[in-house]
Amino acid sequence: AQSVTQPDIHITVSEGASLELRCNYSYGATPYLFWYVQSPGQGLQLLLKYFSGDTLVQGIKGFEAEFKRSQSSFNLRKPSVHWSDAAEYFCAVSGGYNKLIFGAGTRLAVHP
Amino acid sequence: AAGVIQSPRHLIKEKRETATLKCYPIPRHDTVYWYQQGPGQDPQFLISFYEKMQSDKGSIPDRFSAQQFSDYHSELNMSSLELGDSALYFCASLGRGLAGLYEQYFGPGTRLTVT
Repeated sequence: AQSVTQPDIHITVSEGASLELRCNYSYGATPYLFWYVQSPGQGLQLLLKYFSGDTLVQGIKGFEAEFKRSQSSFNLRKPSVHWSDAAEYFCAVSGGYNKLIFGAGTRLAVHP
Repeated sequence: AAGVIQSPRHLIKEKRETATLKCYPIPRHDTVYWYQQGPGQDPQFLISFYEKMQSDKGSIPDRFSAQQFSDYHSELNMSSLELGDSALYFCASLGRGLAGLYEQYFGPGTRLTVT
């Protein structure tokens, strides 16, 4: 079955600390992987995506993610978190033209 | 650059009423997806269209129907509304990104509140 697991429902970090949000996927074919960010009541903003090639992808707002096929993971990282990064983060997978399958999301809180 | 347009942005309806949500994809995008995001939930795929034909169907209630028109805009029709239909409804259109591969571009969403 196709699915995305985000093990951490809620994460709290201090401003300036590093961040890693976990994502594991199950997908029969070659996956296209995405990370989206959503502020309360707002739309989905694409942070970054992986289709093929270099397994470390850079995104907007200083985020990066690493695709590890052997672990079926696509973890999101940021070296230094800013208060404005507080939001909900969704990992998603698709097969290209197909629908996106989202994880349950990780809510990030940032302490000053 | 043109983005996906959804209207209305906010909609308040009473139980058992009907609602119509509209989605205007990015020009020249011929594939549209609809997602429903309940409070505190992740977005769930409802239905998609390619070249005016339904291409995939997810967990869409029988009370909902959708179609894509000749200009590629899409409408999601919701009847006999229930309190549980209160959600953020996203539309996305499919197009080639900078990498030359297809990706979905999301609209801002329509927030439907059923009272």
